[in-house]
Amino acid sequence: QKEVEQDPGPLSVPEGAIVSLNCTYSNSAFQYFMWYRQYSRKGPELLMYTYSSGNKEDGRFTAQVDKSSKYISLFIRDSQPSDSATYLCAMRKTSGSRLTFGEGTQLTVNP
Amino acid sequence: NAGVTQTPKFQVLKTGQSMTLQCAQDMNHEYMSWYRQDPGMGLRLIHYSVGAGITDQGEVPNGYNVSRSTTEDFPLRLLSAAPSQTSVYFCASSYSEARSYNSPLHFGNGTRLTVT
Repeated sequence: QKEVEQDPGPLSVPEGAIVSLNCTYSNSAFQYFMWYRQYSRKGPELLMYTYSSGNKEDGRFTAQVDKSSKYISLFIRDSQPSDSATYLCAMRKTSGSRLTFGEGTQLTVNP
Repeated sequence: NAGVTQTPKFQVLKTGQSMTLQCAQDMNHEYMSWYRQDPGMGLRLIHYSVGAGITDQGEVPNGYNVSRSTTEDFPLRLLSAAPSQTSVYFCASSYSEARSYNSPLHFGNGTRLTVT
């Protein structure tokens, strides 16, 4: 069983929709949570990070962590065609440990 | 700044051939790493380095060698290519081996390798 599970999609939404992307994990030792965005034929880039439980907001993006349920989410408000990409969740147990990535969810926002 | 530069962008190899994937960064990052990305598997760590002269194995190191003679360069060598090594390879670097959790990984744009 994978430590981090992420629905690969594909997910297709109309422009302006609210998008919810999710990951579940099995190891309660994970404390640091990140979301990376990967455009086609490019490398991933860090979008957001959070520590432990709670919410973090950055413009149209909100990252949410629920450690009791071992569940993290990324919400995109007012989605734009430029948000079309693959979104990968990533997490680590301590600040010095290696990252474990989810498989990634492919998102398309249609104009 | 160029960031993380990977060459070549594409490569086709025959089974048994060897080759080196190049990675260079100009951000003076201590930490460099190699990942492979496969459908259904996500990104998996092959090898990593926390500084010049120091390397260690990741999750899937078999069939690959690395060295780190300078801070800037971290080449990945395929010793005898196999079809199972068909993948997209990403080099990534960060300021330190995440001494702070928000030291993000900076990725190159990948090398797409096909082994026939």
